[in-house]
Amino acid sequence: AQSVTQLDSQVPVFEEAPVELRCNYSSSVSVYLFWYVQYPNQGLQLLLKYLSGSTLVKGINGFEAEFNKSQTSFHLRKPSVHISDTAEYFCAVTLLQGAQKLVFGQGTRLTINP
Amino acid sequence: NAGVTQTPKFRVLKTGQSMTLLCAQDMNHEYMYWYRQDPGMGLRLIHYSVGEGTTAKGEVPDGYNVSRLKKQNFLLGLESAAPSQTSVYFCASRKTGTGDYEQYFGPGTRLTVT
Repeated sequence: AQSVTQLDSQVPVFEEAPVELRCNYSSSVSVYLFWYVQYPNQGLQLLLKYLSGSTLVKGINGFEAEFNKSQTSFHLRKPSVHISDTAEYFCAVTLLQGAQKLVFGQGTRLTINP
Repeated sequence: NAGVTQTPKFRVLKTGQSMTLLCAQDMNHEYMYWYRQDPGMGLRLIHYSVGEGTTAKGEVPDGYNVSRLKKQNFLLGLESAAPSQTSVYFCASRKTGTGDYEQYFGPGTRLTVT
């Protein structure tokens, strides 16, 4: 079975500072990896995904993530955050076969302080 | 194109009452999913469907039933609500054969069971 661990439940940062949200996964087979963002009182929106190819993936709103197979990690980064990035971020994995059910991490609440 | 919609947005139930949550998508997606979101636990899959007339259990199916009589609709039923079912429920859908594997989420239904 697959599992996802987001190492920080809350991350407070100052506006215009860089941020890294950490995600590690466990799986005995190859998986696809995703980061979703949930703004307050809204549904989830896809930030970026890794399916294959380059291990550095760029997403929306200036976010990027790097897939590291040896470390089984998929950390999310942004060089300079804005107040509008305040949200909860979820890392998720899915198997390549079958119904591609998503397995989510616990979520990281990113708070941007002015 | 409304995407994924969920009805109702909010609901309060008493223990033992029943209700049905409706998810509708207008994107002609084959796969549909129901998740529940609880603080500190991320999203967990309740049931899913890979096509009209088919359903399958996810990670936390107990106490819930589903039906997919039409391709565009996926219903989640609670026959006898319990306080442990207090949660935010999200529906998602996905198209097959495109190779992007993105799930599109609805805005959520906040359910409180007293």
